[in-house]
Amino acid sequence: KAGVTQTPRYLIKTRGQQVTLSCSPISGHRSVSWYQQTPGQGLQFLFEYFSETQRNKGNFPGRFSGRQFSNSRSEMNVSTLELGDSALYLCASSPRDRGYPYEQYFGPGTRLTVT
Amino acid sequence: AQTVTQSQPEMSVQEAETVTLSCTYDTSESDYYLFWYKQPPSRQMILVIRQEAYKQQNATENRFSVNFQKAAKSFSLKISDSQLGDAAMYFCARYSGGGADGLTFGKGTHLIIQP
Repeated sequence: KAGVTQTPRYLIKTRGQQVTLSCSPISGHRSVSWYQQTPGQGLQFLFEYFSETQRNKGNFPGRFSGRQFSNSRSEMNVSTLELGDSALYLCASSPRDRGYPYEQYFGPGTRLTVT
Repeated sequence: AQTVTQSQPEMSVQEAETVTLSCTYDTSESDYYLFWYKQPPSRQMILVIRQEAYKQQNATENRFSVNFQKAAKSFSLKISDSQLGDAAMYFCARYSGGGADGLTFGKGTHLIIQP
């Protein structure tokens, strides 16, 4: 099976702009989670989508949003970018169903730089 | 906030030797899952091993094994016969509470393998 894919891999944006990141999960996986990784804060949970519905959300401002499509592909959007949004954004998919968490498999990440 | 703590920012081991990485966690849940992930310089997060809290038997995956002490809330990773390819950041993670917080990660341990 192909692994989790994320596009783009690298992105440079300017403060105030918005950005959309994409994630394609492993075939058959219905759960997609997003994480932000920074040197200072480490890995932090953004949100999880399951069957096109947001199931859980981390402690991030409303500028961070996401969605999931019927084919389980997911996008996350960050509006009004700030310098502090510079990070590696990781997507993970899981065969999570009926509350069972199962393990999460990560994509290679999107490195976002905000200037 | 319920946390995951990795007290060793960096560890060094000779090739072919055994090393143990420490992790403690905090949770009020009875049903939870614990994971070790490896992140090499490529930044790709790779699942190393998982442990269900309800299982008393320690998980093992080839050269990787865990010492799960539920009462002490301790979850250490032992790597036997260390190889150069084991060099990476290792993250301990907890999944609990139905995933409300997604995976909660520790700050990581940087493992160096000395040839």
